[in-house]
Amino acid sequence: QVQLQQSGPGLVKPSQTLSLTCAISGDNVSNNSTAWNWIRQSPSRGLEWLGRTYYRSKWYNDYAISVKSRITINPDTSKNQFSLHLNSVTPEDTAVYYCARGPGGRFDWWGQGTLVTVSS
Amino acid sequence: DIVMTQSPDSLAVSLGERATINCKSSQSVLYSSNNKNYLTWYQQKPGQPPKVLIYWASTRESGVPDRFSGSGSGTDFTLTISSLQAEDVAVYYCQQYYSTPFTFGPGTKVDIK
Repeated sequence: QVQLQQSGPGLVKPSQTLSLTCAISGDNVSNNSTAWNWIRQSPSRGLEWLGRTYYRSKWYNDYAISVKSRITINPDTSKNQFSLHLNSVTPEDTAVYYCARGPGGRFDWWGQGTLVTVSS
Repeated sequence: DIVMTQSPDSLAVSLGERATINCKSSQSVLYSSNNKNYLTWYQQKPGQPPKVLIYWASTRESGVPDRFSGSGSGTDFTLTISSLQAEDVAVYYCQQYYSTPFTFGPGTKVDIK
């Protein structure tokens, strides 16, 4: 059984960087048959896929165009986890953020979710 | 981007009755080389992340009750709950994984009448 445990602050000031971590158990971040994703959910935007990192002999990333200039998703093989960094946040980035495992793009295991509020 | 739409926005069904949710994609999510539809259905209950019910448009995830079924191909898909139970009250989403950015429908809320 795969478990994804999210950690990170629930409050971020405008213009600062939102950073979350997703620790993996029951699988490996370097698994070359899956991918590791960040997804957010808000009343205004619904469920929105933000991006992913995955290993296929080397590391790759894909990002949604809506956040591409502000987002970085990094794997950490030493800790078997991956992270999300979203910079220059505004109140529109307020949402519940999820990490999720995604073999082929369907998300079969999810983290518990982190409500991140962007406010001064 | 592939835009996903769902209908209805919400529905109320009597216990034991059938519930039907429709999902439409703005372009086909059928991959011709393997004849698979890259479409997943999720169930989300309050305070929980979404849970996979159906993938490849019609393959039931392990452990999902057989009252849930998926059908359709190309751009038009349906999730059917054959006999609604109290524990099925939730919001249901479709999602395409044919191409990035992966996109979700807006959701359909299912309640008991």
